[in-house]
Amino acid sequence: EAGVAQSPRYKIIEKRQSVAFWCNPISGHATLYWYQQILGQGPKLLIQFQNNGVVDDSQLPKDRFSAERLKGVDSTLKIQPAKLEDSAVYLCASSLAGTAEAFFGQGTRLTVV
Amino acid sequence: GQQLNQSPQSMFIQEGEDVSMNCTSSSIFNTWLWYKQDPGEGPVLLIALYKAGELTSNGRLTAQFGITRKDSFLNISASIPSDVGIYFCAGPLGEGRRALTFGSGTRLQVQP
Repeated sequence: EAGVAQSPRYKIIEKRQSVAFWCNPISGHATLYWYQQILGQGPKLLIQFQNNGVVDDSQLPKDRFSAERLKGVDSTLKIQPAKLEDSAVYLCASSLAGTAEAFFGQGTRLTVV
Repeated sequence: GQQLNQSPQSMFIQEGEDVSMNCTSSSIFNTWLWYKQDPGEGPVLLIALYKAGELTSNGRLTAQFGITRKDSFLNISASIPSDVGIYFCAGPLGEGRRALTFGSGTRLQVQP
């Protein structure tokens, strides 16, 4: 069974530029999450989708971050404009509906210079 | 959200030794998950626990759901070099929520 796919693996941008990340969850997983992992810390939730609806975006910095999952499968996370403190690994995860067991992709390492 | 405290922060052991690490919360959890993260990779789920007192094994790994529901333990027996990595505990962000909050991790190094 294919795992969670993310792209790109790495991205370097200048501050104030915009960037987008893509995620394809495990087939059949209705729930999709985006997490931010700053170096030396555990992942922190940004947003949770159930199918194509947002379940939890309370920790998403909405002035610069946005995410969508239009058809209930793939998802994109966008940052516009980026700040230096956005440098982190952005992890996508998915799970079956109703379970907490989340499976993670390899992540996208973002460096903002 | 819930705060998780992991200890120790890091461990350096010899191959073949047993390892124990733990995670505590100020709030009651109904689910505990343990993940391992290798450099440049996403976290990989090792063990999931759903009941207080539950003891679950996955090969050389054993995890326990504390009776108080505020802690969990992960043990690794007979460590090998590929056990190197960062181990995270995780639990629900809040009551009725499926999204996870993570501890800060225990970094394990194994000397061959």
